[in-house]
Amino acid sequence: DTGVSQNPRHKITKRGQNVTFRCDPISEHNRLYWYRQTLGQGPEFLTYFQNEAQLEKSRLLSDRFSAERPKGSFSTLEIQRTEQGDSAMYLCASSLRQTALSNYGYTFGSGTRLTVV
Amino acid sequence: DQQVKQNSPSLSVQEGRISILNCDYTNSMFDYFLWYKKYPAEGPTFLISISSIKDKNEDGRFTVFLNKSAKHLSLHIVPSQPGDSAVYFCAAIIMTTDSWGKLQFGAGTQVVVTP
Repeated sequence: DTGVSQNPRHKITKRGQNVTFRCDPISEHNRLYWYRQTLGQGPEFLTYFQNEAQLEKSRLLSDRFSAERPKGSFSTLEIQRTEQGDSAMYLCASSLRQTALSNYGYTFGSGTRLTVV
Repeated sequence: DQQVKQNSPSLSVQEGRISILNCDYTNSMFDYFLWYKKYPAEGPTFLISISSIKDKNEDGRFTVFLNKSAKHLSLHIVPSQPGDSAVYFCAAIIMTTDSWGKLQFGAGTQVVVTP
């Protein structure tokens, strides 16, 4: 168990391009979360999966954003037609439902830093 | 709508002394609070938590105090060590409705422990 893995670690893209990030949670964790962190701010919730079902989406997640978790394992977050305002650190976290209420058992990945130029 | 606020963006403390980090919240429905620590280029790691039914929780050098009437919590680190230099985030959750784990974070406090 190597923790929550996020790829790539860094992504620089031109405005208008599409980007996709991947998150591999801890294997036995059935819950997966995406957060976004901008400079000088704390992480902001984007979306959450219980197994393969996407159960909650923040209003921060505009139509250009889509997240999937096929087969309830890894997850992808895609941003279409990127804008400079999308530049941020995108954090993935996972937990077990049973432990989510016990100190939240949250394990965060190291994040993907997106820079839109 | 920033419901969790950390009004001190930075804190400098001497090694061996006490670090006190403050956090205020506006939503009285929050019933569970957590502190996370974040090093550069790493994700946040869980530090300590407290339920709203308690006013203190202690774990080694870390103690969290909760004052519900003031909607205020604080994290005390005693004694501070150089390895404590990091960004600390306060987070809160409404367990009754967000029991699956939607955390609301403050903006963070950068702690620097000097020799």
